Amino acid sequence: GENVEQHPSTLSVQEGDSAVIKCTYSDSASNYFPWYKQELGKRPQLIIDIRSNVGEKKDQRIAVTLNKTAKHFSLHITETQPEDSAVYFCAASSGSQGNLIFGKGTKLSVKP
Amino acid sequence: NAGVMQNPRHLVRRRGQEARLRCSPMKGHSHVYWYRQLPEEGLKFMVYLQKENIIDESGMPKERFSAEFPKEGPSILRIQQVVRGDSAAYFCASSPGGKEGYTFGSGTRLTVV
Repeated sequence: GENVEQHPSTLSVQEGDSAVIKCTYSDSASNYFPWYKQELGKRPQLIIDIRSNVGEKKDQRIAVTLNKTAKHFSLHITETQPEDSAVYFCAASSGSQGNLIFGKGTKLSVKP
Repeated sequence: NAGVMQNPRHLVRRRGQEARLRCSPMKGHSHVYWYRQLPEEGLKFMVYLQKENIIDESGMPKERFSAEFPKEGPSILRIQQVVRGDSAAYFCASSPGGKEGYTFGSGTRLTVV
């Protein structure tokens, strides 16, 4: 089955700096890669996703890149703000199945 | 649209009791997924259900855990004879079909004392 590795586990940046979170996946048949943001005590919420026929997608300050050959994808947050502080999870679809497999999360802290 | 509704939000059980967690998917969603989240850890897949069918239960412990999604009513995750190690947040997600459009509920935080 699918296995997703996520790094780093914690990330601290100064307000205004960029943050990058990286994930690798194992199942070459996976074709959908969403990113979720979870604030303390709250539900995970989808912030951006990418499909395997696209190499990059951007939405305002966040962007995701996908390298299918290397089986890795990354989340980029520019001009970070304190409200970006949260745990971020990457995920990959489990081949033909409908369920998502998640990485272990990255705790991002943005210091004002 | 009320979103994915989970109840209860918090559940306390003594060791050996049963825990029942409920999940009502978003209107129009027929796919339900259950995940477990331990403190400071990620979301671990447990089970994927469609109405009246279990599609994938590869993440479910073999004993004490079961799940159902009946034709009428919410999906239920049932944990029999709970132990302290079952203490976690249990999240349900639903989608209209397949992996895209996942929406999570607010979770049930189970504490076993």
